[in-house]
Amino acid sequence: GAVVSQHPSRVICKSGTSVKIECRSLDFQATTMFWYRQFPKQSLMLMATSNEGSKATYEQGVEKDKFLINHASLTLSTLTVTSAHPEDSSFYICSARSRGGGSGTDTQYFGPGTRLTVL
Amino acid sequence: SQQGEEDPQALSIQEGENATMNCSYKTSINNLQWYRQNSGRGLVHLILIRSNEREKHSGRLRVTLDTSKKSSSLLITASRAADTASYFCATKNSGNTPLVFGKGTRLSVIA
Repeated sequence: GAVVSQHPSRVICKSGTSVKIECRSLDFQATTMFWYRQFPKQSLMLMATSNEGSKATYEQGVEKDKFLINHASLTLSTLTVTSAHPEDSSFYICSARSRGGGSGTDTQYFGPGTRLTVL
Repeated sequence: SQQGEEDPQALSIQEGENATMNCSYKTSINNLQWYRQNSGRGLVHLILIRSNEREKHSGRLRVTLDTSKKSSSLLITASRAADTASYFCATKNSGNTPLVFGKGTRLSVIA
């Protein structure tokens, strides 16, 4: 099946610094990638949808200047948490949808997640 | 935005028993999917059921979908301790919309 990787898997940073998380589709081209955030013992909340070569679409309540998303190629999307604060500590999960359906037209493939801890 | 609601929020059963989790949603869907997540880990796709399907099986999993009631259920038969995890339903509307996740059910299977 299709594989999505995320890097890093875990990051600890100081308050005020910026952190970049990479999401890669390893064996397929992803025209659309999604970024979700998950707080402890809660569900996944969609943050934004990014399409290759265009600006990301953010969900209501998600600050686009704080969570910068770049989808520069068909296999890579990045999420940068700028000026991170402790309340940004969370599990960030990306998801990719293949172009042309791939092995499952209706399936989004999920990365393993990145745990961000802001001290 | 959150669409699905799962119940129960938490379920604790003995190994060998069946576990049933329910999911309700609010709008029309193209398909509904169930995922599993072990604590602190990524998602594992379990099963997808399309809006024109009523029941689907995969191994020890049985999923039903009632579009008139906008609800789905996930049944895990003969549960094992390794089934301990959180289970989420996720719905997909038509077109290029992303999956929207329910709140999840935390299942504990006691050996």
